[in-house]
Amino acid sequence: AQSVTQLDSHVSVSEGTPVLLRCNYSSSYSPSLFWYVQHPNKGLQLLLKYTSAATLVKGINGFEAEFKKSETSFHLTKPSAHMSDAAEYFCVVSITLTNAGKSTFGDGTTLTVKP
Amino acid sequence: EPEVTQTPSHQVTQMGQEVILRCVPISNHLYFYWYRQILGQKVEFLVSFYNNEISEKSEIFDDQFSVERPDGSNFTLKIRSTKLEDSAMYFCASSIEGPHTDTQYFGPGTRLTVL
Repeated sequence: AQSVTQLDSHVSVSEGTPVLLRCNYSSSYSPSLFWYVQHPNKGLQLLLKYTSAATLVKGINGFEAEFKKSETSFHLTKPSAHMSDAAEYFCVVSITLTNAGKSTFGDGTTLTVKP
Repeated sequence: EPEVTQTPSHQVTQMGQEVILRCVPISNHLYFYWYRQILGQKVEFLVSFYNNEISEKSEIFDDQFSVERPDGSNFTLKIRSTKLEDSAMYFCASSIEGPHTDTQYFGPGTRLTVL
């Protein structure tokens, strides 16, 4: 079984300050982990993914995440928030013994960026 | 850049009616998925499809639901007799490989409203 927990339902930062969105996962096997962003009334866009290569993953728009197996975490960070970063962020875990299967989404974190 | 498309963007139907949601995955992708997101809630996996058959489905995906790839380009989700609680945003996704190793590309979603 697999599960993912996003530790904060809402995060509010000021423009230009760092962003930290926390994600912990549970998995019986080596997981793949993803962060997606959803802007209002839009679809889901991939920010970055970890699939057993480098543990520090860089994504689009200045975001990055570090896979820490010992802490079962995959937190998303950005050094300096921009107003356009305001959106819903989803941490996703995927594990399968075959190439079929599913992804499990976290509950989401709403990021608010104050001017 | 190729993208997943979904039609219609918004579907309104009466309870008990059948609806078909349509998706055109990215052309060289082999794995297809449906997810749904009830307003204000997390994104939930419904079903994955590979090699013309369902590879995995969730407990949500009961006998009221079915999927089909009627031709080489479309991937459909049918709900036979809609219920009020089926009102949600439905996302289609596709990937070249399975979800464990590959990015799922999501469409913009179809908002289903059941009255």
